[in-house]
Amino acid sequence: DAGVIQSPRHEVTEMGQEVTLRCKPISGHDYLFWYRQTMMRGLELLIYFNNNVPIDDSGMPEDRFSAKMPNASFSTLKIQPSEPRDSAVYFCASRQYRDRDREAFFGQGTRLTVV
Amino acid sequence: DAKTTQPPSMDCAEGRAANLPCNHSTISGNEYVYWYRQIHSQGPQYIIHGLKNNETNEMASLIITEDRKSSTLILPHATLRDTAVYYCIVRVAGDSNYQLIWGAGTKLIIKP
Repeated sequence: DAGVIQSPRHEVTEMGQEVTLRCKPISGHDYLFWYRQTMMRGLELLIYFNNNVPIDDSGMPEDRFSAKMPNASFSTLKIQPSEPRDSAVYFCASRQYRDRDREAFFGQGTRLTVV
Repeated sequence: DAKTTQPPSMDCAEGRAANLPCNHSTISGNEYVYWYRQIHSQGPQYIIHGLKNNETNEMASLIITEDRKSSTLILPHATLRDTAVYYCIVRVAGDSNYQLIWGAGTKLIIKP
C-alpha cells in the first residue's frame, strides 16, 4: 500500500479564500484522523471518523472548519474563510480498529500558508 | 498539558546507542507509554509502546522503570537518519478516544 496520501503538499492562499485539504487513507483502515501542527501549539487532533462517521470534532477550532468523509477512501478538511492564523501543517492519519493499541499511520502532511 | 516531560534536545554520535528519557510520574495503571518520532517535513511515525514490561522491536527498545514513572527509548545503533523529534505519550490501552496530548518532544541530533 502507498500509505496515507494527502494533497496538496503545499498550499498558499489569500485570507478569506476557501481551502480544501484532501486525504486518502490506507485501504481497509476504519479510523481516520485530522491533525494540525504549529510551532506554538504542537500537534493537535482536530476530528476523527470511524467507518466514515465523525466521532469527535471537539478539536475543530471554529465553525470555519469542516470535515467530511463521503466514503471509506476519501476525506476532506475545508476552511472557509481562511485566516492567517490557520497557517500550519495539517496531517491526516488512519488505522484499523484491530490495531487500536497501536497508533495511526500518518500522511506526509499539507503545509498551508494563508497570507 | 502533556502528561510527559522530555529534555528538549540531545546529541548522539553515529553508531552509538541513543538513550532518550521520559518522565510520566502521574501515569495510571491502565495507561501505555508510546513513542513516536517525526523526521523533518514528514508525519509522525510509530516506534514502540509498552505497559510495564520492557519491549523490543526492529526499531528500538523500550525500558520502563518498575514504578512506571519513567521510561527510556533506546536506539541501539543510531544513524544519521534517526535525527528527528521523538515524542513520548501516555494513553489508555484500547481507548478509541484519540484526544492525545502531544508534548514538545526531544529533538535528537545524530552527529557523524
